[in-house]
Amino acid sequence: GAVVSQHPSWVICKSGTSVKIECRSLDFQATTMFWYRQFPKQSLMLMATSNEGSKATYEQGVEKDKFLINHASLTLSTLTVTSAHPEDSSFYICSARGVADTQYFGPGTRLTVL
Amino acid sequence: GDSVTQMEGPVTLSEEAFLTINCTYTATGYPSLFWYVQYPGEGLQLLLKATKADDKGSNKGFEATYRKETTSFHLEKGSVQVSDSAVYFCALSDRNEKLTFGTGTRLTIIP
Repeated sequence: GAVVSQHPSWVICKSGTSVKIECRSLDFQATTMFWYRQFPKQSLMLMATSNEGSKATYEQGVEKDKFLINHASLTLSTLTVTSAHPEDSSFYICSARGVADTQYFGPGTRLTVL
Repeated sequence: GDSVTQMEGPVTLSEEAFLTINCTYTATGYPSLFWYVQYPGEGLQLLLKATKADDKGSNKGFEATYRKETTSFHLEKGSVQVSDSAVYFCALSDRNEKLTFGTGTRLTIIP
């Protein structure tokens, strides 16, 4: 089946530093990938839609200068949290659109900002 | 905007018990409805879906029927197994195929 990986699975960083999270579709090509954020006991919230070779589309309220998304190839999208602060601590999940427009999800990355 | 409300967990059942996880939605238009499952340490997987009113999605013994009149998409299984222990998410998608999720329900099945 379609597999999506994320790296790292967890990361701890100091306030003010930047963190990059990778999302890869391992056995299929994905022109569209999605980035979600999940707070404890809350829904997954869509942050942005990433299209290969073009700029990402951000949801209302998501700071595009803080959450940089790059989708440089059909199998890789990256999310960079710039100048991270403790309030950015969260669980970040990506998905890739595959066959029949089904979204295949990665296992998530837990970010903790100290 | 669109929203999904699902039963809060955690839910603990004995093996072979009947399962219902309630899900209701609010949406403009006619969304598609989904149930996703997340097993420990893995990504969300599509469990089943329904794209129009009265459709029934089914997979692995799980079923859910798209009820437009009650704006519901309740998940059911007649006899659960230990291997069904996971977190279940109800979701809808709009015309742009953006997914809106419920908060998830953690299900634990005890032998």
